[in-house]
Amino acid sequence: NAGVMQNPRHLVRRRGQEARLRCSPMKGHSHVYWYRQLPEEGLKFMVYLQKENIIDESGMPKERFSAEFPKEGPSILRIQQVVRGDSAAYFCASSPRGGGAFFGQGTRLTVV
Amino acid sequence: EDKVVQSPLSLVVHEGDTVTLNCSYEVTNFRSLLWYKQEKKAPTFLFMLTSSGIEKKSGRLSSILDKKELSSILNITATQTGDSAFYLCAVEARPYNTDKLIFGTGTRLQVFP
Repeated sequence: NAGVMQNPRHLVRRRGQEARLRCSPMKGHSHVYWYRQLPEEGLKFMVYLQKENIIDESGMPKERFSAEFPKEGPSILRIQQVVRGDSAAYFCASSPRGGGAFFGQGTRLTVV
Repeated sequence: EDKVVQSPLSLVVHEGDTVTLNCSYEVTNFRSLLWYKQEKKAPTFLFMLTSSGIEKKSGRLSSILDKKELSSILNITATQTGDSAFYLCAVEARPYNTDKLIFGTGTRLQVFP
């Protein structure tokens, strides 16, 4: 049973490009969280999804950021028109029912 | 608004010292409290606490929950340089009729030889 898989591990984008971060939850897990972590800071909640449903997106910036978790396939965090301030580590965690989450290794996004 | 607060934000100690990290919470429909350790990669799970007053131990680490005080502590005895990390507290709550995990900002622990 593979753990939570995130890809890519590292992503470099120029300002204005789009970034797509993928998260495949553990087998049998139907809930996914996305968190952002800036250097030397703690995790900040972004969005909480169930398959085909956004449960809580209170931590998502109002513009340029979106997330989905389709019935088939990984959860995607999409950042349009990236800016330098989007550079961070993005962690995904999956859960069988919404608690006791298991984390992926993260995607480190660098915007140049 | 649901929140989880950790203190101190940062801690610097020498090897062999004992440290106590605090986590307090105000959430809707508390279900459990979790501690994670994060080094330069993904957080790794340490403890899950659901019952008040029952200590959980793993080697030099231990943790206990106080539901009356809405808080938990994580103790690390005889610290080693390998204990240097972010320690994250998360609370599983049920604010929207579905479970949600709310993280504190973490405590950064640095252990020097």
